[in-house]
Amino acid sequence: EPEVTQTPSHQVTQMGQEVILRCVPISNHLYFYWYRQILGQKVEFLVSFYNNEISEKSEIFDDQFSVERPDGSNFTLKIRSTKLEDSAMYFCASSGDRVYEQYFGPGTRLTVT
Amino acid sequence: DAKTTQPPSMDCAEGRAANLPCNHSTISGNEYVYWYRQIHSQGPQYIIHGLKNNETNEMASLIITEDRKSSTLILPHATLRDTAVYYCIVRPASNAGNMLTFGGGTRLMVKP
Repeated sequence: EPEVTQTPSHQVTQMGQEVILRCVPISNHLYFYWYRQILGQKVEFLVSFYNNEISEKSEIFDDQFSVERPDGSNFTLKIRSTKLEDSAMYFCASSGDRVYEQYFGPGTRLTVT
Repeated sequence: DAKTTQPPSMDCAEGRAANLPCNHSTISGNEYVYWYRQIHSQGPQYIIHGLKNNETNEMASLIITEDRKSSTLILPHATLRDTAVYYCIVRPASNAGNMLTFGGGTRLMVKP
């Protein structure tokens, strides 16, 4: 069964550093998403991406964040200058025509020190 | 978007049916009911969705009341691996960004 993969599984970085979280969505999906979950809190939507542009973004997704689909398989989330409060689990998801049937990856745990 | 209300936690005995309720009394005519679950530290997992008819797949059954103001997710024979947080989400058929809004969900504990 096809699945969404994410790398790395755990990233530790110092405050102020840039990080790139990588995702490989399911191959025939066209809609891509990033969500995050701070420890003990709800899963929060960050951004959705379709046809090489952002469809929707939340208030969390400020100028420090960017997304890119650099090639036909990868989907990345960049945090330009990490803050302590960016520490969270980041989930990538993708969907096909049934847009709310979203398939989530295993997540990247980002720890900012 | 319609708001949903779920009990914060439930227990279920292994092998028995788990019935997870969700109230969505402000649901609109074009909004679907989606269920996801999140097993500890994993990404959310899509389970099932419906509009007004009852639905069944290999994972679960979804019963939606005739007035569509509430629904119940049924896991017919719960196993220990079904221990997770279950989320009921109401969404229209599509919108600009297709975002999912996760609430607190119901923490289901399946006990031996």
